[in-house]
Amino acid sequence: DTAVSQTPKYLVTQMGNDKSIKCEQNLGHDTMYWYKQDSKKFLKIMFSYNNKELIINETVPNRFSPKSPDKAHLNLHINSLELGDSAVYFCASSQGAGRYEQYFGPGTRLTVT
Amino acid sequence: AQSVTQLDSQVPVFEEAPVELRCNYSSSVSVYLFWYVQYPNQGLQLLLKYLSGSTLVKGINGFEAEFNKSQTSFHLRKPSVHISDTAEYFCAVTLGSGNTGKLIFGQGTTLQVKP
Repeated sequence: DTAVSQTPKYLVTQMGNDKSIKCEQNLGHDTMYWYKQDSKKFLKIMFSYNNKELIINETVPNRFSPKSPDKAHLNLHINSLELGDSAVYFCASSQGAGRYEQYFGPGTRLTVT
Repeated sequence: AQSVTQLDSQVPVFEEAPVELRCNYSSSVSVYLFWYVQYPNQGLQLLLKYLSGSTLVKGINGFEAEFNKSQTSFHLRKPSVHISDTAEYFCAVTLGSGNTGKLIFGQGTTLQVKP
């Protein structure tokens, strides 16, 4: 069983389009995250939800909007895609914040043309 | 604010040789420290973590790391590497209290194990 899954794995789209990435975890965790990994492999947190409540909202453009319909799901919607949004997006989850290991999904490679 | 510096962007090493990947952090408060590994085209996987207690931490796949508070370092070591250890390695830090779970990552170190 996949602990943290993301769909799609690859996403190629044109500038200006709107797209969504879905994430699901079956670990029973309370906290979920979105990270962005750029072309130099640098990882930066974007958002975090705990029990469906937003607890981390980094300096991310308003075009990015996370949605957590329930504790097991955290989706990422991106409006008006730009070339600079091209990256690998990782979803992660953990039992709680701080000392707990974060379990990462396989990533979604977004390419904006 | 916390920050993490991985001192080597690439580390080439021959199979069965020892390796050390260096990590330094900066923080005015206590932190938790982690090492994650990313194999090609995969997500990240936890190797080990330091929360408190013994400064020598053992992880999966024969890796270990030593927390040095005075030098603010958390270097990762393995006495004998395998080809399968070729991957990207990330050091990360998070606050030790009042924590939201925000992980701050270093820039990553590419470990290239040669036959």
